[in-house]
Amino acid sequence: GDSVTQMEGPVTLSEEAFLTINCTYTATGYPSLFWYVQYPGEGLQLLLKATKADDKGSNKGFEATYRKETTSFHLEKGSVQVSDSAVYFCALSLYSSASKIIFGSGTRLSIRP
Amino acid sequence: EPEVTQTPSHQVTQMGQEVILRCVPISNHLYFYWYRQILGQKVEFLVSFYNNEISEKSEIFDDQFSVERPDGSNFTLKIRSTKLEDSAMYFCASITRDRGIGSQETQYFGPGTRLLVL
Repeated sequence: GDSVTQMEGPVTLSEEAFLTINCTYTATGYPSLFWYVQYPGEGLQLLLKATKADDKGSNKGFEATYRKETTSFHLEKGSVQVSDSAVYFCALSLYSSASKIIFGSGTRLSIRP
Repeated sequence: EPEVTQTPSHQVTQMGQEVILRCVPISNHLYFYWYRQILGQKVEFLVSFYNNEISEKSEIFDDQFSVERPDGSNFTLKIRSTKLEDSAMYFCASITRDRGIGSQETQYFGPGTRLLVL
């Protein structure tokens, strides 16, 4: 079935370090891909998205490119800040399935000052 | 910016009691969803709702669960007889639905209701 696999955390980095969180997906159709972020004690916020192959989503310095050939959507940021500490969820949705979102297990990111 | 709202933010209930979680989706949205997140685990799809009926539901969404859009603004999730394992954060979400391949739909999530069953 359709699924999302993302790297397990927690991931701990120093401020200004480079971030990569790996995400791969399995889908029967042509999914849209998303990264959601959940800050401590809060709900889910859409961070970025890409709706077709080779699209790059970007927001707040984060980027992810929809790679159909490797079925991946890795999240990257060149220089992380303490305020980026949160749980990051990779996700997909398929138009054909009432657009329900299928989430990965989440990666907890902690940034040291 | 319009947002999805949910009430209450926290609810504590006794096992076997009925609970109703409320959501107000964004006003021009057509599709509505409930998800849940058990503490420390992934977010799981429960149900989608369109045109006053369920579009899709997961295995989690058994006969103890029901959804309703009682008026033009609210969207509710009812759990008839709560169990300990229903303790979770429940998220409501909504989208418009642009027709066509590669549509630009984005699901907007509410802040969640944290349900604790004792």
